Amino acid sequence: RKEVEQDPGPFNVPEGATVAFNCTYSNSASQSFFWYRQDCRKEPKLLMSVYSSGNEDGRFTAQLNRASQYISLLIRDSKLSDSATYLCVASYNQGGKLIFGQGTELSVKP
Amino acid sequence: EAGVAQSPRYKIIEKRQSVAFWCNPISGHATLYWYQQILGQGPKLLIQFQNNGVVDDSQLPKDRFSAERLKGVDSTLKIQPAKLEDSAVYLCASSPRGHTIYFGEGSWLTVV
Repeated sequence: RKEVEQDPGPFNVPEGATVAFNCTYSNSASQSFFWYRQDCRKEPKLLMSVYSSGNEDGRFTAQLNRASQYISLLIRDSKLSDSATYLCVASYNQGGKLIFGQGTELSVKP
Repeated sequence: EAGVAQSPRYKIIEKRQSVAFWCNPISGHATLYWYQQILGQGPKLLIQFQNNGVVDDSQLPKDRFSAERLKGVDSTLKIQPAKLEDSAVYLCASSPRGHTIYFGEGSWLTVV
């Protein structure tokens, strides 16, 4: 079983749609969680951290459920520029290695 | 601020040949990582350095991969001999502390 699992997609949505990505992690010792964005043939870049209380950054909302070992990312009012692969990431401790999921591909169409 | 620099950007080699990738992290970043990303998969950590010491190399195929970070700054990742399944992007990343890590653009390796 992979340590971090995501639905690989692709998710094909029209502009303006709301889309949700889910992710599960297997190691209950995981302490920190993130969403990274990776554009085609580019390096991953941090999108946002994920906190137990949930956090929002503009059109993006991240949620963490430690009991279910589940992480989510919600994108509202999708833009063409949101097209990318979204990587779910878990870490065991401060400064520890990041464990990446395989990524979920999003394609936003006009 | 300059980002993480990597070279070469692209490399094509035949199987059983050797290749080396170089990384220069962001100035002042003590932690340096090498990740391998195979097409369609997420990045997988190969090795993590804290200054010039190895923190984690549990997933580094040590029979063919080696990495060093002399003087705690630049790092080199070597593959010898290369196999077809080593075709991937090799991403170098660095961080000052905590979890915000910054990736370089990657070195794309094709083994034929």
